[in-house]
Amino acid sequence: GAGVSQSPSNKVTEKGKDVELRCDPISGHTALYWYRQSLGQGLEFLIYFQGNSAPDKSGLPSDRFSAERTGGSVSTLTIQRTQQEDSAVYLCASSLGRDQETQYFGPGTRLLVL
Amino acid sequence: AQSVTQLGSHVSVSEGALVLLRCNYSSSVPPYLFWYVQYPNQGLQLLLKYTSAATLVKGINGFEAEFKKSETSFHLTKPSAHMSDAAEYFCAVSKTGGFKTIFGAGTRLFVKA
Repeated sequence: GAGVSQSPSNKVTEKGKDVELRCDPISGHTALYWYRQSLGQGLEFLIYFQGNSAPDKSGLPSDRFSAERTGGSVSTLTIQRTQQEDSAVYLCASSLGRDQETQYFGPGTRLLVL
Repeated sequence: AQSVTQLGSHVSVSEGALVLLRCNYSSSVPPYLFWYVQYPNQGLQLLLKYTSAATLVKGINGFEAEFKKSETSFHLTKPSAHMSDAAEYFCAVSKTGGFKTIFGAGTRLFVKA
């Protein structure tokens, strides 16, 4: 069975442009998470989905960040009007959906905003 | 509120030496505790987790961790380091009934030949 996949693996963009990051979770996993990992930092929680709904959006750093999940599967994280401080690795994880379940991580998308 | 503190952003050991990576947590309710490992240019993978069963938890690759409620600690150990253990290690906490997992800042382990 395939693991969590993310695309693109690397993205270079210019300041002010919009970017979309995609996450394909493991089939059957109802919970999906987005994290941001900046250089030298730990993982910063961004948002979590249970099915298609997002009960917890508390980690989104600004209104330039949004995420959606369709069909209980693929999720897209969109960053509008990118800033240089958005440069980071964006990690996606999925789990079976119960609270103590292991999260399975994708390889991440490395975003560089010039 | 929950939080995780990993003591030491970098730890260096010699091959064959004991590995000890420290993690302290705070949680107002009984926690679930995790250790994840991240190899270069890869995502995180689970090493082990504590879910209120045995306080000594054994994980993959010879790692283990002990939950000590009195010390609010969940330190990760391995008796003998291998070169392949060089990676970044993250301690994490979540709470019963919750889905939000809080990660520590990570500890990078270096293994010297």
